[in-house]
Amino acid sequence: QVQLQESGPGLVKPSETLSLTCAVSGYSISSGYFWGWIRQSPGKGLEWIANIYHSGRTHYNPSLKSRVTISVDTSKNQFSLKLSSVTAADTAVYYCARVSDTSGYYSHFDNWGQGTLVTVSS
Amino acid sequence: DIQMTQSPPTLSASVGDRVTITCRASQSISSLLAWYQQKPGRAPKLLIYKASSLESGVPSRFSGSGSGTEFTLTISSLQPDDFATYYCQQYNTYSWTFGQGTKVEIK
Repeated sequence: QVQLQESGPGLVKPSETLSLTCAVSGYSISSGYFWGWIRQSPGKGLEWIANIYHSGRTHYNPSLKSRVTISVDTSKNQFSLKLSSVTAADTAVYYCARVSDTSGYYSHFDNWGQGTLVTVSS
Repeated sequence: DIQMTQSPPTLSASVGDRVTITCRASQSISSLLAWYQQKPGRAPKLLIYKASSLESGVPSRFSGSGSGTEFTLTISSLQPDDFATYYCQQYNTYSWTFGQGTKVEIK
């Protein structure tokens, strides 16, 4: 069974870079699928951030693209997120997830990590 | 960008009720729509993908329908474990967008 676990600092100062890692177990990232990050601001809905394939192919949310970098380390079976120049608006629970395919399209998120709260505050 | 609009934002219902949640896309997304259930403090859980395909292990009282721009999630007989927030999510041309959610509350 696929399991995902987010890790990283729970507190980041404004203007700094948020860095998170998602460790995957029960499945080799090199075997396929896209892998992604989604966030949820307190009391709000879900926002997709970025996805990455094991080959390094990436897709970014246009509203965040200028500040986001997603990367993959197949040797460690993990992928990472960096979000630069953070503000209080970036305070959220950050989830990592596997992007599953149907009819040839990587369209939905079938396995999720438990999420990690990142607070942006000085 | 494709916008997803869910209705209603909140729904009050009783155990045993038939519940329907609607999701509308700002443009056609074929059948590339998924539904998730989220409980407080937990990650979303996939219920339905490709508009009407039931994820493995999800009870059959959950069903999805629709294509193009209008989709529905139906719970045939609401159970105590079903009180939660439900989100739709679309995929189109390398972009994934969620609806704003529908909270199903106890009446």
